[in-house]
Amino acid sequence: GEDVEQSLFLSVREGDSSVINCTYTDSSSTYLYWYKQEPGAGLQLLTYIFSNMDMKQDQRLTVLLNKKDKHLSLRIADTQTGDSAIYFCAESRSGAGSYQLTFGKGTKLSVIP
Amino acid sequence: ETGVTQTPRHLVMGMTNKKSLKCEQHLGHNAMYWYKQSAKKPLELMFVYNFKEQTENNSVPSRFSPECPNSSHLFLHLHTLQPEDSALYLCASSQGSERDTQYFGPGTRLTVL
Repeated sequence: GEDVEQSLFLSVREGDSSVINCTYTDSSSTYLYWYKQEPGAGLQLLTYIFSNMDMKQDQRLTVLLNKKDKHLSLRIADTQTGDSAIYFCAESRSGAGSYQLTFGKGTKLSVIP
Repeated sequence: ETGVTQTPRHLVMGMTNKKSLKCEQHLGHNAMYWYKQSAKKPLELMFVYNFKEQTENNSVPSRFSPECPNSSHLFLHLHTLQPEDSALYLCASSQGSERDTQYFGPGTRLTVL
C-alpha cells in the first residue's frame, strides 16, 4: 500500500462543511501537513499539526489527528467556491541530513454553487 | 505571493534537446527541493539540497542533473528526456529543520515530445 492515502474526489455544496481524510503509515512523523493546490499553481501550505496535538483550529479550518489510527482530517467550514482545489496531506520524515515530506495523491474538492 | 519563483513556467522540448529549469527563493532558506508531479501519482521527491550540498537523490535517472550554486538558486538540467518525463516540476525551499515548512514555487509544466 501507499505511505499516505487519501480519497481522490470530494464534492460539496457551497456553505456546507467539507471533510477531507488522510491515513499515513509512519508513526514517527512529528509533523503532518495540509497543502492546497489551485489550477496552474504550486502547493500552498494551509496548516500543519504537531503529533502531540489532537486538534488545531485556524479560522474555517479544523485539523483532527488520531495518532493511534494514524488518521488525519481537514474540515473546512462554510465551504466556498474559492475552496475548489486539490488538497494534499503530507507527513514529515527524516532522511540523510534533511527532512522529507511524503505526500498523498491529493483530494480534488469540487464546490457546487 | 510566493517567495519561490520558477522559470520557465512552460517548456516543450524534444527528446534530443538540452534544457534547464531554474528556481530561485527569496526567503533566506537553507534547503531546496525538486519534486515531480505527474497525473494520478503522489508528488515524488527528486533531489534535496541542504546548505548547497545534495543530501537526497531518490533514484532519479541521470538524464536529470541538479545544480545548486548557492542556497538561493537551484537548477535542474535536462537532456535526452523521454515522453514519460512530461510532468509538472515543482521547486520548494525550507529552513531545513523538521518544523520548518516547505514553500513551493508555481512549477514548470514540461512536455517532452
